[in-house]
Amino acid sequence: DTAVSQTPKYLVTQMGNDKSIKCEQNLGHDTMYWYKQDSKKFLKIMFSYNNKELIINETVPNRFSPKSPDKAHLNLHINSLELGDSAVYFCASSQDRAPYGYTFGSGTRLTVV
Amino acid sequence: GNSVTQMEGPVTLSEEAFLTINCTYTATGYPSLFWYVQYPGEGLQLLLKATKADDKGSNKGFEATYRKETTSFHLEKGSVQVSDSAVYFCALKVDTNAGKSTFGDGTTLTVKP
Repeated sequence: DTAVSQTPKYLVTQMGNDKSIKCEQNLGHDTMYWYKQDSKKFLKIMFSYNNKELIINETVPNRFSPKSPDKAHLNLHINSLELGDSAVYFCASSQDRAPYGYTFGSGTRLTVV
Repeated sequence: GNSVTQMEGPVTLSEEAFLTINCTYTATGYPSLFWYVQYPGEGLQLLLKATKADDKGSNKGFEATYRKETTSFHLEKGSVQVSDSAVYFCALKVDTNAGKSTFGDGTTLTVKP
């Protein structure tokens, strides 16, 4: 019954590794997002897809590559992980019009050691 | 550009105290305004919203009124409980920004028994 589901919930990995985070929404929303939340709880948008098309690509290292196989899925692949990538990554979805709020996933806590 | 400024935290209150968390915004266009709540270890949840001037959003005893003249959307609750301890985010969304929301920096609330 989960509306936006992310996997895995926790990810501990070594520097230099490549990892992926998966996200799926069953709300029929057109737009999906990846946000990064740092240790001070600040939220920073990374990417946004609308109907499988990339529409927002903030200043993010190109080691981060999103992929949207269909409008219900948005995955995040990270190459050559660095210590500074440690954070909580949230997937969210929404209808893109202003009155519609976001539905967030429960987050993936990534720790790079 | 769009921006949201929230009252800095952390805020610590005793149970049954009155809560106000201030939020002001700047926006190009006519924004919808939101409050999200993030409980420890969880993703953000939409708490309430207002989509036009003088609208009042309310949920779980929390209220906020869209004040266009003061560009504000302050969150209030008459009597907080320990279970309200969380991080609260004010956000705005406009139609011209590809569905992207602008979030404040978050305010951490701790309620002590």
